[in-house]
Amino acid sequence: NAGVMQNPRHLVRRRGQEARLRCSPMKGHSHVYWYRQLPEEGLKFMVYLQKENIIDESGMPKERFSAEFPKEGPSILRIQQVVRGDSAAYFCASSPTGQYGYTFGSGTRLTVV
Amino acid sequence: DQQVKQNSPSLSVQEGRISILNCDYTNSMFDYFLWYKKYPAEGPTFLISISSIKDKNEDGRFTVFLNKSAKHLSLHIVPSQPGDSAVYFCAASYGGSQGNLIFGKGTKLSVKP
Repeated sequence: NAGVMQNPRHLVRRRGQEARLRCSPMKGHSHVYWYRQLPEEGLKFMVYLQKENIIDESGMPKERFSAEFPKEGPSILRIQQVVRGDSAAYFCASSPTGQYGYTFGSGTRLTVV
Repeated sequence: DQQVKQNSPSLSVQEGRISILNCDYTNSMFDYFLWYKKYPAEGPTFLISISSIKDKNEDGRFTVFLNKSAKHLSLHIVPSQPGDSAVYFCAASYGGSQGNLIFGKGTKLSVKP
């Protein structure tokens, strides 16, 4: 039973490009959370999704960021027109029931140059 | 405005001794607390949790203590092992938050052989 799979592990983008981060939850998990960790900081909640629904996006920046979790396929976190301040580790977590002790993936490290 | 604070960025302990990691919070609405452990280049791994109706929860070598009046919790690891060397994050949530967690900045634990 594979864990939460995130890809790519490392992503380098130039300023102004788009970044797409993918997250495949554990089998049977229909709840997905995205967190961002800036250097020397803790993880910050971004968005909580269930299949085809955004449940809570209170942590998402108002512009350039979007997330989806389609009926089929992985959850996608999309960052348009990236800026250097978007450089961070982005972690996805999944849960079967929305309980707190969810399982995290290994993260995608985004570097904007 | 940090709601969850881990004031010690690092802690060094001798193998076999007790490690005590501390966490303070400011939001009295928090009713569930968790500890996560994180190795470099990996996602956080859930360790142990405690509900606000309890003051102690134990799981093997790990015990979490909660002092609600002081808004303080601590993680005790006894005995400490070199494999425990990692960054430990305290996280908190409340019933209305739909599962999103608020993390502290972490404490890096080094257990020396």
